[in-house]
Amino acid sequence: DVKVTQSSRYLVKRTGEKVFLECVQDMDHENMFWYRQDPGLGLRLIYFSYDVKMKEKGDIPEGYSVSREKKERFSLILESASTNQTSMYLCASRSAGGNYGYTFGSGTRLTVV
Amino acid sequence: KQEVTQIPAALSVPEGENLVLNCSFTDSAIYNLQWFRQDPGKGLTSLLLIQSSQREQTSGRLNASLDKSSGRSTLYIAASQPGDSATYLCAVRGGSYIPTFGRGTSLIVHP
Repeated sequence: DVKVTQSSRYLVKRTGEKVFLECVQDMDHENMFWYRQDPGLGLRLIYFSYDVKMKEKGDIPEGYSVSREKKERFSLILESASTNQTSMYLCASRSAGGNYGYTFGSGTRLTVV
Repeated sequence: KQEVTQIPAALSVPEGENLVLNCSFTDSAIYNLQWFRQDPGKGLTSLLLIQSSQREQTSGRLNASLDKSSGRSTLYIAASQPGDSATYLCAVRGGSYIPTFGRGTSLIVHP
């Protein structure tokens, strides 16, 4: 089974801190995604990457950046954390070859105080 | 632009009932549709993936159907149990890498 691992389940950070959320998948998937999920707003796409060193903005990229230096790892960076970035962050991956589904990590609950 | 709607938004049923969750989408040009389960505070767990050429997929007590022409999918849960309590989301993949998600149906199965 494909595994998508998010490094932290819970994080508490201070306003203004630079925050790194890490996501690693173990099945050589080309496509990787970062979402945030908030009550009443559903899943919103922040950034995605269709292959190594590639990145594309999603629907809400403001205040975030990403890094994909290796195929298995996709990092989400909050340049200067703010309280409105308190949310559940979900990483997903998918193989680009064929009509495969998406595999999600277990999520990181980030609280910015 | 694809839009995905899940009705009802919330459902509460007694244990043992058979139930149907609905997912409708506006653009029938899809590659596949995927059903997920999400427990509170957790990530999404894939339940079933239906390709556009398929009519249904089954896994245990779960059966998902797909009617592309009418833009609908249903997730049927047989003999519901309290452990089925969760939020169920559907995701539709069209021509891009990006799936479109519904807002989910929050299910409570009470003993």
